[in-house]
Amino acid sequence: GAGVSQSPRYKVAKRGQDVALRCDPISGHVSLFWYQQALGQGPEFLTYFQNEAQLDKSGLPSDRFFAERPEGSVSTLKIQRTQQEDSAVYLCASSRKNPASGSSYEQYFGPGTRLTVT
Amino acid sequence: KNEVEQSPQNLTAQEGEFITINCSYSVGISALHWLQQHPGGGIVSLFMLSSGKKKHGRLIATINIQEKHSSLHITASHPRDSAVYICAVPAAGLTFGKGTHLIIQP
Repeated sequence: GAGVSQSPRYKVAKRGQDVALRCDPISGHVSLFWYQQALGQGPEFLTYFQNEAQLDKSGLPSDRFFAERPEGSVSTLKIQRTQQEDSAVYLCASSRKNPASGSSYEQYFGPGTRLTVT
Repeated sequence: KNEVEQSPQNLTAQEGEFITINCSYSVGISALHWLQQHPGGGIVSLFMLSSGKKKHGRLIATINIQEKHSSLHITASHPRDSAVYICAVPAAGLTFGKGTHLIIQP
């Protein structure tokens, strides 16, 4: 079946612009995660959803970052007033269940959106 | 927060060599993930393991829960194995190591 898809794959934004990144998880997957990967680094957790509920947003770097998943399927990560330090690959992943600290489930990753802020 | 350390950061080897990548973490976990990322590509899950050893083709992953340590081995390495290999432990999402950049030369 179809995997996790993300759009756009590449986005160039001028500093100060707002951007919206979309993630389509695998159908039926309850949990959805957003990660930020800077060049040469491992991914860093941003936020996750269980269905439409945003259960943890502790990794969002500032209040310019906002994520939503209103119907428990597609999710959008919005970055307002982009800054150069926001340049990174934004990865979305989904899983069948929520990997709480006492358990873990395989996560399926999308191809990422590479954001470049000029 | 669980600190995840990988070594080496970079590894270049000749085709056919046996490869070992190490991962250690600071807080006890239920399972550990090994992932592969090709340049410009997405992340693919290789293994999720909670004890002992798992094997898939030429890839072998081991974990020692008591020592908080895991290893990923590649036997008979091939240039197509060239990628970044990342270990990760569960948290709210996953906490990732910085990755090991592996290059296999023909």
